[in-house]
Amino acid sequence: EVVLTQSPGTLSLSPGERATLSCRASQSVSANYLAWYQQKPGQAPRLLIYGTSSRASGIPDRFSGSGSGTDFTLTVSRLEPEDLAVYYCQQSAVSPYTFGQGTKLQIK
Amino acid sequence: QVQLQESGPGLVKPSETLSLTCTVSDGSISGYSWSWIRQPPGKGPEWIGYINDRGNTDYNPSLKSRVTISVDTSKSQISLNLRSVTAADTAVYYCARGGFYNFYWGQGTLVTVSS
Repeated sequence: EVVLTQSPGTLSLSPGERATLSCRASQSVSANYLAWYQQKPGQAPRLLIYGTSSRASGIPDRFSGSGSGTDFTLTVSRLEPEDLAVYYCQQSAVSPYTFGQGTKLQIK
Repeated sequence: QVQLQESGPGLVKPSETLSLTCTVSDGSISGYSWSWIRQPPGKGPEWIGYINDRGNTDYNPSLKSRVTISVDTSKSQISLNLRSVTAADTAVYYCARGGFYNFYWGQGTLVTVSS
């Protein structure tokens, strides 16, 4: 099973700042099968990024993804208060598909 | 926009079978893969498995011996059956459209396993 380790566990930033979230895989993952989800309190996860860098429909261009191999990054530029959420990476290259443990993004 | 709605008992006794249904609002069940994902309280999501548009399934090995996912196209529903449940199966259960990526999710339904 591919283990995804996300860092940091919690990130506290101010509106307008830039957030960089990391996802490290225990083995190489095809970039085609790495996704990021946003989960706001009390809601279902929402797909933000798929295929490492493609934004899902309706996702603002403040959200971007990059990476390859075992290291992937989600960047949120110009943070807004509504970005308060937990962010999960997921790999679907190798079954069983797995999620990271999440990064909680707090807005000061 | 497609909407998914999970339904089923909110309380299941240990050793019994958890049965959930996901209804797709616009009837667009054919031609897509459908997944079930669960999230224990305060924890991250866990992939349960999926069924593709040809009826092939893939399950998480940790659950494989107990889980069945099926589709009823006439009712636009996807079903999840999880047998011999324990307290560790207490979670919010989500259905979602897609196999590799889940573009649309239901709101989720909390299932508690307790006597």
